[in-house]
Amino acid sequence: EVQLVQSGAEVKKPGESLKISCKASGYSFTSYWIGWVRQMPGKGLEWMGIIYPGDSDTRYSPSFRGQVTISADKSISTAYLQWSSLKASDTALYYCARRYSSGSYDIWGQGTLVTVSS
Amino acid sequence: QSALTQPASVSGSPGQSITISCTGTSSDVGGYKYVSWYQQHPGKAPKLMIYDVSNRPSGVSNRFSGSKSGNTASLTISGLQAEDEADYYCSSYTSSSTQVFGTGTKVTVL
Repeated sequence: EVQLVQSGAEVKKPGESLKISCKASGYSFTSYWIGWVRQMPGKGLEWMGIIYPGDSDTRYSPSFRGQVTISADKSISTAYLQWSSLKASDTALYYCARRYSSGSYDIWGQGTLVTVSS
Repeated sequence: QSALTQPASVSGSPGQSITISCTGTSSDVGGYKYVSWYQQHPGKAPKLMIYDVSNRPSGVSNRFSGSKSGNTASLTISGLQAEDEADYYCSSYTSSSTQVFGTGTKVTVL
């Protein structure tokens, strides 16, 4: 079965660092781009960026460039989203998703809830 | 990079057809055939319903169809059913090699 399994919910304080993960299985991890999507509480979907695990080519939305880092470890079929210094405004549900064609995402992780509060 | 514009809400009675619009620019919707649509039920991950403007993934009901004209894409749900009540998002590839989502539309089945 093709699936993406994300790491569990996190509760952090402002200024702390965090790295969440997205483990792929059931397909060739290095052959598909993996994207990250933010959904703030009660709000819509926001595209953050994408990585091609085959060569680590990475693209970011202008809104998120410099705010987060996307990476991947192809040896364990896992993509990551990380922050060096969290803010309260980073509180959101974060999804990873496999890019199927140039404009669509066919497999989604279950989401990781990140709560940043002092 | 602005979000694509969708109506906040659309409603219809069971059996009716509804259409959700998604308006962008020539740098995204109008410039590429890579428009997709997602359904999201409360507390669930989004589900791909339409890709590349008008293609349905395996397993998606043929009651869902997509089209595009100029800078506006549309999702039509025919034979509306109670289970179609959800949030719907469009998305497009962009000229910056990135992706942008729509503002989202809440579909209510009356």
